[in-house]
Parts: sequence; C-alpha cells; structure tokens
Amino acid sequence: DQQVKQNSPSLSVQEGRISILNCDYTNSMFDYFLWYKKYPAEGPTFLISISSIKDKNEDGRFTVFLNKSAKHLSLHIVPSQPGDSAVYFCAASAKESGSARQLTFGSGTQLTVLP
Amino acid sequence: KAGVTQTPRYLIKTRGQQVTLSCSPISGHRSVSWYQQTPGQGLQFLFEYFSETQRNKGNFPGRFSGRQFSNSRSEMNVSTLELGDSALYLCASRRTSRSTDTQYFGPGTRLTVL
Repeated sequence: DQQVKQNSPSLSVQEGRISILNCDYTNSMFDYFLWYKKYPAEGPTFLISISSIKDKNEDGRFTVFLNKSAKHLSLHIVPSQPGDSAVYFCAASAKESGSARQLTFGSGTQLTVLP
Repeated sequence: KAGVTQTPRYLIKTRGQQVTLSCSPISGHRSVSWYQQTPGQGLQFLFEYFSETQRNKGNFPGRFSGRQFSNSRSEMNVSTLELGDSALYLCASRRTSRSTDTQYFGPGTRLTVL
C-alpha cells in the first residue's frame, strides 16, 4: 500500500524553463511534507518542506504547493539548471501519539535538465 | 559541522552471512533512522532510534535489527542475508524524534549479496 506516490518516474526539461514534480498521498493524517534531492552515490539532501497549515512555501528557485483537498503536492523549480538533474523524492509524515514522527517516501522522479 | 557518516561505503557478502553497518550522526543529533533503498521502491523505513531506544519500526522481518549507543552512534545488523537484501542502506539523523526536525542523510552503504 503506497501512501505516497510519485507517478512520473522521469521528467526532462529545457534549461531555464520550469520543472514541475508531482506527488500524491492517500493518508489524510499526513501533516508535514518534504522534498529531497538525490545524486548518484550520495544520500538524499533536504530541499524544502511545508506544513499542512500552509498551501505554499518558497525558498529561492524552489516552491512547494500543497493542495490538501486533492491530497497533492508539487515542487516547482524556476529556472531549471543542469545541476538540478537528480532524483527527487517526496516524503510525508504524520503526528502519531506515542511514536516518533516517521517519514514515508515516494519512489522518486528522475529530473533531467537539458542544456 | 560534520555531516552524517556511514561505514563501510560498499560491502559484498554471500547468502546466509550476516552484516553490520555503522552510522555516526551529526553532532548534537540524538535520533537516527535507517532506510533501505532498492530500484523503483523509493526509501523504505526500517527503524528509528532515539536515546538508545527504538522508537519506531517499519515492516521488515526480524533479520533486520539495530541498536544505538550512548554517543548516539547507531549500528544496523542483517542476519542470514538473502539476495533481495541487496540495496543501498541509508542512515539519517535529526535532533529529536518528536517534531518536524529535518532528517539529514548520510551517503549510504551499498550492500551486494551474492
């Protein structure tokens, strides 16, 4: 049962254009969402996060949008650069009493930015 | 500040053997989580330790176990290795386990089971 889904395994975008990576979730208890970027042979690097009390969070070229009614979030990268080429993981967590806040990850989207 | 470190970076074992992986968290971080990454599966949560206690556990068989030491360093052990255990094992640390603290990942240990 995949609670966090990234339905596009890959995405190619021209340098300078916008990259939009999508993520859907099924667990309505998720209240905190993150995006990580991963290069080959390295661990994931935190990019940006958003709490469910917000619908948008921006950090430089990266903006995350959250649509709670649709259980959907997206990561926008503007403008895209060749160095952004990596695998992007969406992750979500829920506050569960008595437990640690654990992250549930999607399967990732390979972004390729073409020069 | 030094990042999360994992040793060894690469490991080759044969079926039936056991393996121990090590993770040193960022200084001051008391929570350590372990994940398994296989092609097409994303990152699957194994377990999380905080103050030497396992706080959460994913859906993995009992062959997968871990522990955390008083200095917050953590080890993960896999016994009776199977071919399907070949994966990238990632460790992540954060300050606490009961907040939205960001998890910071190490570079991973690539385990190959022959």
